[in-house]
Amino acid sequence: NAGVTQTPKFRVLKTGQSMTLLCAQDMNHEYMYWYRQDPGMGLRLIHYSVGEGTTAKGEVPDGYNVSRLKKQNFLLGLESAAPSQTSVYFCASSYGLAGHTGELFFGEGSRLTVL
Amino acid sequence: SQELEQSPQSLIVQEGKNLTINCTSSKTLYGLYWYKQKYGEGLIFLMMLQKGGEEKSHEKITAKLDEKKQQSSLHITASQPSHAGIYLCGADIRGSYGGSQGNLIFGKGTKLSVKP
Repeated sequence: NAGVTQTPKFRVLKTGQSMTLLCAQDMNHEYMYWYRQDPGMGLRLIHYSVGEGTTAKGEVPDGYNVSRLKKQNFLLGLESAAPSQTSVYFCASSYGLAGHTGELFFGEGSRLTVL
Repeated sequence: SQELEQSPQSLIVQEGKNLTINCTSSKTLYGLYWYKQKYGEGLIFLMMLQKGGEEKSHEKITAKLDEKKQQSSLHITASQPSHAGIYLCGADIRGSYGGSQGNLIFGKGTKLSVKP
């Protein structure tokens, strides 16, 4: 049982390049999330999805786009990467929050460096 | 998130000592979650609190929710080196209709070091 898988795990980009981070979960979870983690800033929510075909903005959505075309996948795109987007990105999924344990299952993280 | 304040930011304790980490929300909570992160790894769920006065324990870790103060405390008894890591609280902020907003925002974390 793979849980939550993120690809790639490491990536170096030049300013202005684009890329997509893929998150895949095999637990049939409805909810999926993308966070970024920076030193001293904790985890900040970028975008999230409460079901296939839906997405919503989190705390820091600017510069990112997301898509949830399939229930098991949640893609995070950077159209024109900037050095400020250098971070560790975490994907998470859950059955939901209200009425459940609320546990988010996290991937191992993707370390992105923008030069 | 500025809506969620954790204290202290970092903590160094001697093995065997007790410690407390606090998490305070500026908004009404629907649920409060505690996670632990080992350096360079993903987050591990510890426990969730939803009702005022609720208290839960996981091994030597106990968390309580003070709903009136919108605050939770995480207490570790007789700390061990295995407790070292970053502890993050996550909040499910109550939405305008009174229910869950469907996402978690996190505090900045508390870095715990335990000296053997």
